[in-house]
Amino acid sequence: NAGVTQTPKFRVLKTGQSMTLLCAQDMNHEYMYWYRQDPGMGLRLIHYSVGEGTTAKGEVPDGYNVSRLKKQNFLLGLESAAPSQTSVYFCASSHTGGEGLYEQYFGPGTRLTVT
Amino acid sequence: AQSVTQLGSHVSVSEGALVLLRCNYSSSVPPYLFWYVQYPNQGLQLLLKYTSAATLVKGINGFEAEFKKSETSFHLTKPSAHMSDAAEYFCAVSGRGNAGKSTFGDGTTLTVKP
Repeated sequence: NAGVTQTPKFRVLKTGQSMTLLCAQDMNHEYMYWYRQDPGMGLRLIHYSVGEGTTAKGEVPDGYNVSRLKKQNFLLGLESAAPSQTSVYFCASSHTGGEGLYEQYFGPGTRLTVT
Repeated sequence: AQSVTQLGSHVSVSEGALVLLRCNYSSSVPPYLFWYVQYPNQGLQLLLKYTSAATLVKGINGFEAEFKKSETSFHLTKPSAHMSDAAEYFCAVSGRGNAGKSTFGDGTTLTVKP
């Protein structure tokens, strides 16, 4: 089991460029999440998905879009990157119930710098 | 609505000393509570979780936490700190009917001095 994987691990963008971050999980989880982590601010939820073909906004969705075309993949897009989007991005997935109720499994993160 | 407050962004202890990391929560539904650990340049890993069974929860690496409803707290403890415990720790709250979404605290960085 690879768990949750993220690509790329690092990326530098210029302001206005676009990119897509890929998250994949092999645990057959229904729920998937994208967070950003900034110093002293914990993790903030960007978007999430409760199943294939569904997405919803989290706490800080502006400037990001997501898609979940396959159950195992959750993509995060930046259409026009801004310096304020410099951050570390984490993807996570979770069960829907039972003893694994809402415990989240995290990927290793993508460190993004926008200049 | 749910929220988490971690008291103390930085905690420093000596090796062998007690570790106490504080977490208070707010939730409008019965909460599920978690502690995660993050080592440098890695993702978060689950340490332990409370899901309405025993109020004293034991986790990995000798950590435990006690759910106290009257105090709305879920503090993390370890009797004897080890150098390898140095990391950032996050408390999180979730609840039924919330699409599994967790709200995370701002984190506490634990430093262990030799």
